[in-house]
Amino acid sequence: DAGVIQSPRHEVTEMGQEVTLRCKPISGHDYLFWYRQTMMRGLELLIYFNNNVPIDDSGMPEDRFSAKMPNASFSTLKIQPSEPRDSAVYFCASSRTSGGWDEQFFGPGTRLTVL
Amino acid sequence: GENVEQHPSTLSVQEGDSAVIKCTYSDSASNYFPWYKQELGKGPQLIIDIRSNVGEKKDQRIAVTLNKTAKHFSLHITETQPEDSAVYFCAASSYNTDKLIFGTGTRLQVFP
Repeated sequence: DAGVIQSPRHEVTEMGQEVTLRCKPISGHDYLFWYRQTMMRGLELLIYFNNNVPIDDSGMPEDRFSAKMPNASFSTLKIQPSEPRDSAVYFCASSRTSGGWDEQFFGPGTRLTVL
Repeated sequence: GENVEQHPSTLSVQEGDSAVIKCTYSDSASNYFPWYKQELGKGPQLIIDIRSNVGEKKDQRIAVTLNKTAKHFSLHITETQPEDSAVYFCAASSYNTDKLIFGTGTRLQVFP
């Protein structure tokens, strides 16, 4: 298995632009998580899905952030409009069963820079 | 909700020495405690985990101990090697939640 795949690996954009991050989880995993990592705030859970259904989006910072999972093999995290404070590394992770009890497999991350 | 504190934030050791990272948690219902290692430019990767029904678990040079009474758990790395240099995260969760609460991370540097 190729593991969790994220694209793009790096994204540089200007403030106000729309940004879309993509994730392909490991086949057969029922849970998908989106995290954001910064020096100041560490590793934060933004939202997670179970069987393509969003379960908890309490970590999404504001309405500018949205996430979808149209099928079991694809998820997107969208920021519209982007702001410099959104600059961070965004990770997608998946787990076979509950992420609170089973190993989470992380992708390589997308480094987002908003100028 | 759960809160996980991790210390120290940075740790430097000589190759061959031991390294210990400590975490405390607040929710007494937590019963799963994994440790993740993050190498530069990569996502975190699980290296060892412990569940509340055991007090210690070992895997070659790494071990984790759990004290449920005191609500703290620790990662022990013996005979450290330069390739152990990375950021280590502890985390906690309970069986009735799907998500992990991560500590703030410890940057470990092993000098040859």
